Parts: sequence; structure tokens; C-alpha cells
Amino acid sequence: GDSVTQMEGPVTLSEEAFLTINCTYTATGYPSLFWYVQYPGEGLQLLLKATKADDKGSNKGFEATYRKETTSFHLEKGSVQVSDSAVYFCALSDGAGGTSYGKLTFGQGTILTVHP
Amino acid sequence: KAGVTQTPRYLIKTRGQQVTLSCSPISGHRSVSWYQQTPGQGLQFLFEYFSETQRNKGNFPGRFSGRQFSNSRSEMNVSTLELGDSALYLCASSFGQGGGELFFGEGSRLTVL
Repeated sequence: GDSVTQMEGPVTLSEEAFLTINCTYTATGYPSLFWYVQYPGEGLQLLLKATKADDKGSNKGFEATYRKETTSFHLEKGSVQVSDSAVYFCALSDGAGGTSYGKLTFGQGTILTVHP
Repeated sequence: KAGVTQTPRYLIKTRGQQVTLSCSPISGHRSVSWYQQTPGQGLQFLFEYFSETQRNKGNFPGRFSGRQFSNSRSEMNVSTLELGDSALYLCASSFGQGGGELFFGEGSRLTVL
């Protein structure tokens, strides 16, 4: 079945450092890929998404590129802020026309802590 | 517009009891999905409802059930609670197309004593 393997944390960085969180996936067909973020005490929020190979999702300075050849969707940000401290989840679902509908397969999550 | 609303936010139950959690989706969304989040297992899909019909189901025992009403609001029920059912239960809504974005509520945190 589908699976998502995510870089284990926790990750601790200083403000303005470069961030990479690795994510690789196993899926049949052409999944859609997502990064969700969970701030303390809150539900998940969509950070960015990509629906086909070579698409780049971006939001709030974060970027991730859908790489079909390496089955990866690594999250990057050039300069992190204290406010980026949260748990980040990589996820996939069947692409358009798929049958998983409301089902996302999540990675284990990576805790990011950014110090001033 | 209003987001996904889950009630109650926190609850404590004892083993053997049952619990019902409620989820009101974003207006216009017809799909509601439920997830269980625990430190050990992460986020696991429970089931999804679309137009009052269960369309997808995860690998959970029959003690976990759900339903959806004609206004798209959904409830999930857990019967004969076990200690291992302690978790954050997240509801997500969407328009229901494959590959679409899910919008999550803040969750209901269940503690089983």
C-alpha cells in the first residue's frame, strides 16, 4: 500500500538558518503530495501541495518540488523564524480520479524548534 | 468563512464507556474524514463519509463507527473504550474529489482512564 517516510526529528535550528525536511513516498499511480503543519494546540493546516511531477508548491517561504524519479517531496525554507516552530507532516493521496478521496497517508511528522 | 468545528474539544472517559464526537464541516463541503492521532502511531485514517455514505474505511475495529447527516455534519462513536483509544481525533472536510485538499478541525482530545 501507499506509504510516506519522513525525516525523523526533532530538528532544532537557530533563527535564519536553512531548513530541509526530507520526505519520500511509495505509491501506485500519480499521487498528490502535501505538506501540512500543526502548531501547538491546533489542528493541521495545509502548508503547500503539488499534484503532478515537477510541480513546485510554495507558501510562506516554504517550497517543495514533486520529484517522481526519486519519489521525493522535500520541504525547504531559506531562513526560518521562531514562529515556524511546529510539527510538519508530509502526506499523499490518490491524484485526481483516484478513489482514496478523503484519505491521506501521512508520514510520522517532524518536530521543528527554532531558537532566537 | 467558518472552519471545521469539532465538539467537544476535551473529554475524559473510563474504560468500557462509549463516546460520541461531532464535526461540522466547512459550508459547501460534502466529505468528512476522521483521523486518530497518537504519539506512537501518528495520524491514522479512520473513515470518510460523503453524502451520508461511508466511502472509505481504515483499519480500525468495529468499535469505531460514524455517520453523516443530510447537512454534512458528522459524528463518530467509539464503544467499549480501551486505554489505547486515548488520542486526538481530527475531523477534516473537503469537496470530496480525489486528490483534493483537506481542511482540518482542531480536534477532540479523548482521555480514557
